[in-house]
Amino acid sequence: KAGVTQTPRYLIKTRGQQVTLSCSPISGHRSVSWYQQTPGQGLQFLFEYFSETQRNKGNFPGRFSGRQFSNSRSEMNVSTLELGDSALYLCASSSLAGPLDEQFFGPGTRLTVL
Amino acid sequence: TQLLEQSPQFLSIQEGENLTVYCNSSSVFSSLQWYRQEPGEGPVLLVTVVTGGEVKKLKRLTFQFGDARKDSSLHITAAQPGDTGLYLCAGTGAGGTSYGKLTFGQGTILTVHP
Repeated sequence: KAGVTQTPRYLIKTRGQQVTLSCSPISGHRSVSWYQQTPGQGLQFLFEYFSETQRNKGNFPGRFSGRQFSNSRSEMNVSTLELGDSALYLCASSSLAGPLDEQFFGPGTRLTVL
Repeated sequence: TQLLEQSPQFLSIQEGENLTVYCNSSSVFSSLQWYRQEPGEGPVLLVTVVTGGEVKKLKRLTFQFGDARKDSSLHITAAQPGDTGLYLCAGTGAGGTSYGKLTFGQGTILTVHP
């Protein structure tokens, strides 16, 4: 099985712009979670989607949004970019609906905001 | 808010030495996962522990889940340079607010010198 794929791998944007990141989960996985990783804060949960519905959301401002499509692929969008949004954005997929399921991560998208 | 405290943050040892990484919380977790992450890549799942008191072994790595499911440890025997990387513990809470959400420790950067 192919693993979780994320595109693009690298992005450079300027403050005020918006960005869309894409995640394709492992085939058959219906849950996709997004995380932000920074040196100072570590890995922080952004949100989770299951069957096109957002089931859980972390403590991030409304500039961070996401969606999931019927084929389980997911996108996250960050509007009005700030310097502090520079980070590695990771998505993870899992196969079961319950909270005990294991998550498998993609390679991440490295976003740099100038 | 569930928090995971991971220690030590940095570990620099010689090849052949043993080491232990700790992950502690005041909260109970439904399960706890250990990941290893290489620079510029996403975390790779090493193991999931679910039952209090559970011990799992993966070659030279031994993982333990505390009896109360609030803490966990990772022990590496006879470390090798290939073990170098960032080790992360991550916990899953209980209930609907935990769907798709992993709470991560700050990570341990392990460097094994030849």
